[in-house]
Amino acid sequence: EGQLLESGGGLVQPGGSLRLSCAASGFTFSNYAMSWVRQAPGKGLEWVSGISGGSGGNTYYAESVKGRFTVSRDSSKNTLFLQMNSLRAEDTAVYYCAKAYYGAYGERAFDIWGQGTMVTVSS
Amino acid sequence: EIVLTQSPGTLSLSPGERATLSCRASQSVSSSYLAWYQQKPGQAPRLLIYGASSRATGIPDRFSGSGSGTDFTLTISRLEPEDFAVYYCQQYGSQWGWAFGQGTKVEIK
Repeated sequence: EGQLLESGGGLVQPGGSLRLSCAASGFTFSNYAMSWVRQAPGKGLEWVSGISGGSGGNTYYAESVKGRFTVSRDSSKNTLFLQMNSLRAEDTAVYYCAKAYYGAYGERAFDIWGQGTMVTVSS
Repeated sequence: EIVLTQSPGTLSLSPGERATLSCRASQSVSSSYLAWYQQKPGQAPRLLIYGASSRATGIPDRFSGSGSGTDFTLTISRLEPEDFAVYYCQQYGSQWGWAFGQGTKVEIK
């Protein structure tokens, strides 16, 4: 059973930057696409960004973060990253990393989630 | 981009009762890419159902999923105390990424 462990969250001022990390273990990290999902306090889940497996040549972003956030991966270190710039109060949330699941018939879902790391954007 | 609308927002039921949760997509979607998650307070979401109707590893058979096109349903046949939680549907799109519904809270009546 695989595991994901996020780190890097904290308090940052509006306009500031933060880099989140997600360390993967227990599965072949390079074989799977990965995503970041966030949850603002008391709110629902919001997909933020995704990256393809392997070298991570394909990246995807929600409109709310496009141009401000950058997802990347280092498969030699089994680690996923999220570089967050120009942070806003509305980016305050718990950020989860999640592993893509590929079903036998092409199904897609997230089967492994980290415990989350809190990001607070406030002055 | 697809919008997923879940209903009801809150479902108040007693243990042993049947829960029926709805997820409606703004346009027809592939059943292969429809999933359901359970989330309890302070915890990460847990995958329940993928491909609209397949149970994830270790998920009890009281959980079932169905539907196609724009209408999908998660059914919990007999609620156990540990099933009271928030449930989210999710859809994948190869061109735009992922979308979640806003969630349905199943609370104890």
